Amino acid sequence: NAGVTQTPKFQVLKTGQSMTLQCAQDMNHEYMSWYRQDPGMGLRLIHYSVGAGITDQGEVPNGYNVSRSTTEDFPLRLLSAAPSQTSVYFCASSSQGAYSSYNSPLHFGNGTRLTVT
Amino acid sequence: GQNIDQPTEMTATEGAIVQINCTYQTSGFNGLFWYQQHAGEAPTFLSYNVLDGLEEKGRFSSFLSRSKGYSYLLLKELQMKDSASYLCAVRPRNYQLIWGAGTKLIIKP
Repeated sequence: NAGVTQTPKFQVLKTGQSMTLQCAQDMNHEYMSWYRQDPGMGLRLIHYSVGAGITDQGEVPNGYNVSRSTTEDFPLRLLSAAPSQTSVYFCASSSQGAYSSYNSPLHFGNGTRLTVT
Repeated sequence: GQNIDQPTEMTATEGAIVQINCTYQTSGFNGLFWYQQHAGEAPTFLSYNVLDGLEEKGRFSSFLSRSKGYSYLLLKELQMKDSASYLCAVRPRNYQLIWGAGTKLIIKP
């Protein structure tokens, strides 16, 4: 059971480049999300999805796009990378969907460390 | 606004007990989570509290007081492997989690 798998683990981009961070889970979780983690700050939600075909914005969505065509996959696209997007990105999933209880914990991938120069 | 406060860093001795506090101000309350995050790794779930009181899980316990907007994580019989950051997260009325910045716990021999 792989859990949540993120690729790549490390990435360096130049300003203006685009890329996609991949996330896949094999736990049949309805809920998937993308966070960024910066020093001295709490995890900040970028986008989330409560099921296939449904996505919504989190706290810091600007500069990022997502799609959810299957239950398993939730890629995050950086449209035109900026130095302010240098961060560690985590994908997380839980069994909590739109109608599930609130106590389902998040399962995190191992993170993608992105540097934009 | 919504806010979660935790101490930035704490130091404790191997074998001792440490209490990590978390205070929160949120629009509604639907539960509080504690996660552990070792350096360079992903957060992992430790505990969930939604009712007032103490929840015990082995060496780790978590306490909640909803009226005071306060929780703590208690770690007993500290081991070197407990050196990590501990993240407090609250689920307010609008469903998505609000995260504290985390407390870095340093264990000394």
